[in-house]
Amino acid sequence: DAGVTQSPTHLIKTRGQHVTLRCSPISGHKSVSWYQQVLGQGPQFIFQYYEKEERGRGNFPDRFSARQFPNYSSELNVNALLLGDSALYLCASSQTVGTANTGELFFGEGSRLTVL
Amino acid sequence: KQEVTQIPAALSVPEGENLVLNCSFTDSAIYNLQWFRQDPGKGLTSLLLIQSSQREQTSGRLNASLDKSSGRSTLYIAASQPGDSATYLCAVTNAGGTSYGKLTFGQGTILTVHP
Repeated sequence: DAGVTQSPTHLIKTRGQHVTLRCSPISGHKSVSWYQQVLGQGPQFIFQYYEKEERGRGNFPDRFSARQFPNYSSELNVNALLLGDSALYLCASSQTVGTANTGELFFGEGSRLTVL
Repeated sequence: KQEVTQIPAALSVPEGENLVLNCSFTDSAIYNLQWFRQDPGKGLTSLLLIQSSQREQTSGRLNASLDKSSGRSTLYIAASQPGDSATYLCAVTNAGGTSYGKLTFGQGTILTVHP
């Protein structure tokens, strides 16, 4: 079975541009979360989506937005890119939300964004 | 606000040595704790998941323990190999609500195992 897949793997943008990152969860997983990992630091939580609804949001500006589609795939959008947005963007999926879930998250390989 | 700290920040050991990585967290009301491995420029690979009601989990040469009341977890790696060289990240999920997709990560421990 395929794991979490993300695209593109690498991309370069200039300041002020917009970027869309895509994620396909593991088959059967309905929850998708997004994380930003700046070089040398641990990942920081951006969003969680479950059943197409936002279930959690981290401390990121409104330039960051996301959505989840009926097939549970997800997009992360970042507007008005800043140099500081350069990072590895990770997507994670889990089976469900609720007490029946072990809460284990499975991560994709990430999208490396460089902002010049 | 949950904060996770990992010690040491970096560790270099000779092949064959047993080693311990430490993780501490400030809020003991957690749902679970996960240990991940990250190779340079790559995504995260889940190593072990410990539920809040458990004390430890084992997988091969890896053993993770959890002391929720004191806010500590350790990852024990037995008979280290050069292929174990990577960054090891500890992350917790806070209990309550629907926060199961939200992990709070430590900064990681960079492990180098030299032949």
